Amino acid sequence: GAVVSQHPSWVICKSGTSVKIECRSLDFQATTMFWYRQFPKQSLMLMATSNEGSKATYEQGVEKDKFLINHASLTLSTLTVTSAHPEDSSFYICSTRSVAGEAYEQYFGPGTRLTVT
Amino acid sequence: GQNIDQPTEMTATEGAIVQINCTYQTSGFNGLFWYQQHAGEAPTFLSYNVLDGLEEKGRFSSFLSRSKGYSYLLLKELQMKDSASYLCAVKDSNYQLIWGAGTKLIIKP
Repeated sequence: GAVVSQHPSWVICKSGTSVKIECRSLDFQATTMFWYRQFPKQSLMLMATSNEGSKATYEQGVEKDKFLINHASLTLSTLTVTSAHPEDSSFYICSTRSVAGEAYEQYFGPGTRLTVT
Repeated sequence: GQNIDQPTEMTATEGAIVQINCTYQTSGFNGLFWYQQHAGEAPTFLSYNVLDGLEEKGRFSSFLSRSKGYSYLLLKELQMKDSASYLCAVKDSNYQLIWGAGTKLIIKP
């Protein structure tokens, strides 16, 4: 299967600061990347879908000005949590699907655990 | 609305067999996925069903009935390392993945 990396794997930041999370597809071109958030003991919640070269599509209830997504190339998407607050503490996971894989599985990155103090 | 239902938690014994059910109501259907997720880790792909029937892959099998909106994941010869959450997800008509809340499987010796 495809390889997706995320950086950093965990981060602790102070309230009010911004944090950038990178998601890279290492062995294929990802026209579409998905950003999920998962709170403890809950399932994945899709935050937004990013398409290379265009604006991301955000799910209802997700603030686009707070969670900035940039998908500048076919191998890199970034999620920036701006003015982070303790309630933003969560497990953030990116996922991609290959150019040829409409029906294929999504490949997940290892996740980034964000703790806001 | 779109909905995927699966049990919240199940318990089974090491060496036994367990079946995790998933029912779905979605706008369109383009395949059903099962993922395994260990605590604190990202999900990993287990299986994909798009046609009715049983798909077997080692100790894991997945079944799909599109007419019933139903799937199950069957785990045989359970091992302690199988303790994890199992997520059922369906791709709808827009190829969007709709996720179930996951079933936490607890394996006891």
